[in-house]
Amino acid sequence: DAEITQSPRHKITETGRQVTLACHQTWNHNNMFWYRQDLGHGLRLIHYSYGVQDTNKGEVSDGYSVSRSNTEDLPLTLESAASSQTSVYFCASSTRKGYTDTQYFGPGTRLTVL
Amino acid sequence: RKEVEQDPGPFNVPEGATVAFNCTYSNSASQSFFWYRQDCRKEPKLLMSVYSSGNEDGRFTAQLNRASQYISLLIRDSKLSDSATYLCVVSYSGGGADGLTFGKGTHLIIQP
Repeated sequence: DAEITQSPRHKITETGRQVTLACHQTWNHNNMFWYRQDLGHGLRLIHYSYGVQDTNKGEVSDGYSVSRSNTEDLPLTLESAASSQTSVYFCASSTRKGYTDTQYFGPGTRLTVL
Repeated sequence: RKEVEQDPGPFNVPEGATVAFNCTYSNSASQSFFWYRQDCRKEPKLLMSVYSSGNEDGRFTAQLNRASQYISLLIRDSKLSDSATYLCVVSYSGGGADGLTFGKGTHLIIQP
């Protein structure tokens, strides 16, 4: 069955380290997204991509980067991890460009920055 | 600013009861509306889209009031398994990922 996976599921790192969170989907969806979810906030968009070689900044993109070299993967990199980036990170994918379509979420990565 | 507001709850409801909660949105240009369900420490999953004429899916009914800028979710004959956080999601004109705004969620607890 098609699915969307994230790895690692849990990560503890230190301030200043570079961290990469993986997201892989097998639906062949064009659109992929990264969100973070914190207590007291809704899901907030970090970066998104409409296809290979396309990346766009979301609402809270500072300190994060993404790259899209193929359809299946959108890794999220924290260039220099900060304690404020402790959060749960969700990757999602959907099918249509420029329209709101059902977003399918991965199981999430719980990141702690010490 | 695009905002989606929800009562965070928790709503404590006995099993078998009917429960309803609303979500208000600030941008009148909003185009699409959804309810997602999120279980504790899990990912959000689409519960249902919300159509202008209102729509029903089993025990769940969603309604949209564009004049007052709110959407609602009604759950009839609630089950223990309905306990979850319900996220209101609104898409604004222009579409695209940056047009999707999530509410903070309403926490529902169904009690036996």
